[in-house]
Order: sequence, then structure tokens, then C-alpha cells
Amino acid sequence: EVQLVESGGGLVQSGGSLRLSCAGSEFTVSSDYMTWVRQAPGKGLEWVSVIYGGGATYYADSVKGRFTISRDNSKNTVYLQMNSLRVEDTAVYYCARAGPLVRGVIKGSGAFDFWGQGTMVTVSS
Amino acid sequence: DIQMTQSPSTQSASEGDRVTITCRASQNINNWLAWYQQKPGKAPKLLIYKASSLESGVPSRFSGSGFGTQFTLTISSLQPDDFATYYCQQYSTYSVTFGQGTKVDI
Repeated sequence: EVQLVESGGGLVQSGGSLRLSCAGSEFTVSSDYMTWVRQAPGKGLEWVSVIYGGGATYYADSVKGRFTISRDNSKNTVYLQMNSLRVEDTAVYYCARAGPLVRGVIKGSGAFDFWGQGTMVTVSS
Repeated sequence: DIQMTQSPSTQSASEGDRVTITCRASQNINNWLAWYQQKPGKAPKLLIYKASSLESGVPSRFSGSGFGTQFTLTISSLQPDDFATYYCQQYSTYSVTFGQGTKVDI
């Protein structure tokens, strides 16, 4: 069965950095659209970034220039490098997949058919 | 960005009730609309994609409808396992956006 396992969350001071990892199993991350979605405590879901195809990437305006999504095909793993962290970046970060059946017509867009368990990032002031 | 507005924010219901949740998009998204169920401390679970397609393994009491800017999620007969928060999501662009959520409780 398809699985996504995130790691790398933790407590960091404002201005600091963290790198999140999302390891996929039973599918190939380079063949699907891989996304990071976050959820601040008690709040709704917010799209953060997507990587797909040959390595094309997109970012939400709130993280552009600070976060970088990447992947290592040999490890079947997607990463989210988070720099210049702010208190408002505090959230549970989920890795999610948009498989072939649930993609949209625009490249990089889709619904998310599999999600990781989430990893908590806390940014203190 | 496309704004997604759900209503109501909270829905009080009982087992066996028919529950309807509405989602409105700020512009035409055709049928690029998904619905998710989320329980506390858990990741969201995909229920419906492409506005009305039932995800594999999801009970048939869940159904979706709509096109353009108005969409509906219906639970035909609420079961104890269905008490949760539900989110709609548009994916007509790569910058997907979610509704604010509807909590279904007793």
C-alpha cells in the first residue's frame, strides 16, 4: 500500500531553519505530484508547495523565497527546506500525493489521495 | 488565488440524519473540486474528487455534486464514524486552496 512518512519537525527559533523529509513507499515520487500542506494549530489547511515531473516547483506566496522543495529519486524522498522561519510558520506539515486519477488539467494541480501522518514545526520568538 | 467558502461552519446533527455541506468558489473551477474528512490529530482523508467521483473505499453514503462555482457534499445517513471536520479544495490551478472547514458534531 502507498505510504508517506514525514520526519524532521521540531522546535526552532524565529529566523532558524529546518528540513522536512517525506519518504514514499509502494509508488515513485518522481512520477506523481508531491505537495506539502500545512495546518496551524486549530486552523484550516494551507497549500505550501508542489514538485512534479522533471522537477518543476511552485510555492505559496507566504513561503516563496524562504522554502525550497526538492526530491531525491534514489531515496524516493521529497524534502522541504525551510529557512528564515517565522512564528506564523508554526503548523503541522503534511506531505501529500496527487496520483494519476486525481490530477487536475493544469500541471502540478490535483486532489490528494495519500497523506503522511504529519510532522509538527514550532517556531518560537 | 481562488477563494473557497464553506457553509455552515458547524453542523449539529444526529445519527441517521442527512447532512449537506456547501462550498462556493470565487470563480469558475469547472469540476476540479475535492472533499476531505479530517478527524482530530489525523491527516485529511480524500472522499470525493472531480466534484462527484467517489474515492475508492469511501462508503456510498457520501456523494458530491456541482459545477462551476457551487458544490455540495451530502452524507445520506450520518454514522457515528462521520463526526469530523470536512474541507473542500479546488484544484483548477497549481495553487490549490481549501475551504475553512465544516465541523459536523452532535
